[in-house]
Amino acid sequence: SQQGEEDPQALSIQEGENATMNCSYKTSINNLQWYRQNSGRGLVHLILIRSNEREKHSGRLRVTLDTSKKSSSLLITASRAADTASYFCATERPGTYKYIFGTGTRLKVLA
Amino acid sequence: DGGITQSPKYLFRKEGQNVTLSCEQNLNHDAMYWYRQDPGQGLRLIYYSQIVNDFQKGDIAEGYSVSREKKESFPLTVTSAQKNPTAFYLCASSIQRQPQHFGDGTRLSIL
Repeated sequence: SQQGEEDPQALSIQEGENATMNCSYKTSINNLQWYRQNSGRGLVHLILIRSNEREKHSGRLRVTLDTSKKSSSLLITASRAADTASYFCATERPGTYKYIFGTGTRLKVLA
Repeated sequence: DGGITQSPKYLFRKEGQNVTLSCEQNLNHDAMYWYRQDPGQGLRLIYYSQIVNDFQKGDIAEGYSVSREKKESFPLTVTSAQKNPTAFYLCASSIQRQPQHFGDGTRLSIL
């Protein structure tokens, strides 16, 4: 079963606005990763946050992690049309090397 | 350039036929993974391999088979036992507990 669940399923915003998407998971984790997928392509890794970290930044991306609530959020600031893609969170199942991917948030940025 | 190459990009299967999807990486990664993605869905793990000559079933291994005879290669065979093979198949590789690198996928359809 999928551990990660993203919210919202779809998001449509204007260029220049910020986009926030959330991920919830069920079990303890070693780390949580966010990926991006352009239509018909493979996934590209964006950012990894470890279980002992609360916030991490990379360019226009900001990720937070709340292990007490088993949730994470991805914020994309000053969005661009090129940010249009699906975004997935992934968590590593404890004690394994298997990753569980959520169902994704489809982001559309309108120019 | 290092990366993962999946081929073919599109594949058509006749009823009763086995087909093999290729995945090659030159990243020197030990771990390799096969995922299935259905429209609008997240990724589901089919098989994974942490080391040459060893592999484990994922969540949806029935109707699929793999081999890992070389570090660089992890082919996936979709057998005739897989009754609903139409999907987008993604191969990934990683160093343990590090982000996964993905290929650009193979789209499999039934004729």
